Amino acid sequence: DGGITQSPKYLFRKEGQNVTLSCEQNLNHDAMYWYRQDPGQGLRLIYYSQIVNDFQKGDIAEGYSVSREKKESFPLTVTSAQKNPTAFYLCASSIEGAPRNTEAFFGQGTRLTVV
Amino acid sequence: AQSVTQLDSQVPVFEEAPVELRCNYSSSVSVYLFWYVQYPNQGLQLLLKYLSGSTLVKGINGFEAEFNKSQTSFHLRKPSVHISDTAEYFCAVRRSGGYNKLIFGAGTRLAVHP
Repeated sequence: DGGITQSPKYLFRKEGQNVTLSCEQNLNHDAMYWYRQDPGQGLRLIYYSQIVNDFQKGDIAEGYSVSREKKESFPLTVTSAQKNPTAFYLCASSIEGAPRNTEAFFGQGTRLTVV
Repeated sequence: AQSVTQLDSQVPVFEEAPVELRCNYSSSVSVYLFWYVQYPNQGLQLLLKYLSGSTLVKGINGFEAEFNKSQTSFHLRKPSVHISDTAEYFCAVRRSGGYNKLIFGAGTRLAVHP
């Protein structure tokens, strides 16, 4: 079945450590996104990538980094510079290019807890 | 730029009652509109979308939404809710044409009581 796989589902890290969240899709989608979800704040865009080897900052990119070396993979690194990293992280993908660009498809999320 | 306002953070309702979750958007250009549902500790699932054409859009699980351009609204409705509809619902907008990103509202938590 086609879809988006995020791993792990739960992740615990000590403060000051970098951590990488995995996102893989087999939908052959061009664009991939990372969102952060906090209670009562909806989803906020961290980074997005329209094409391999290219990505842009979203609204809250500080303290995060990404790479897009393969079309199907878009890992997110939460660095020690992120001041409040505990959150639910969602990866998404979509077809790009009018008129096909419509909805985004989401993974099941990774809950990161920093202690 | 686009923005989305979900007017209710929480909506309690009894089982089998009708429900409306309200969403207003702001945009100076034409947009696509979406409703997503999120169950606890899961990702988002698309309920329905408005791209063009008929303003009444039907989605999964018996939900429907009506696009009202003059009022810049896209309210979600269901005539009779079930306990299993308890979840968080997100309204989202994106600009039509070309690349663009989804802009989400803050979410509405629907709590269905027996």
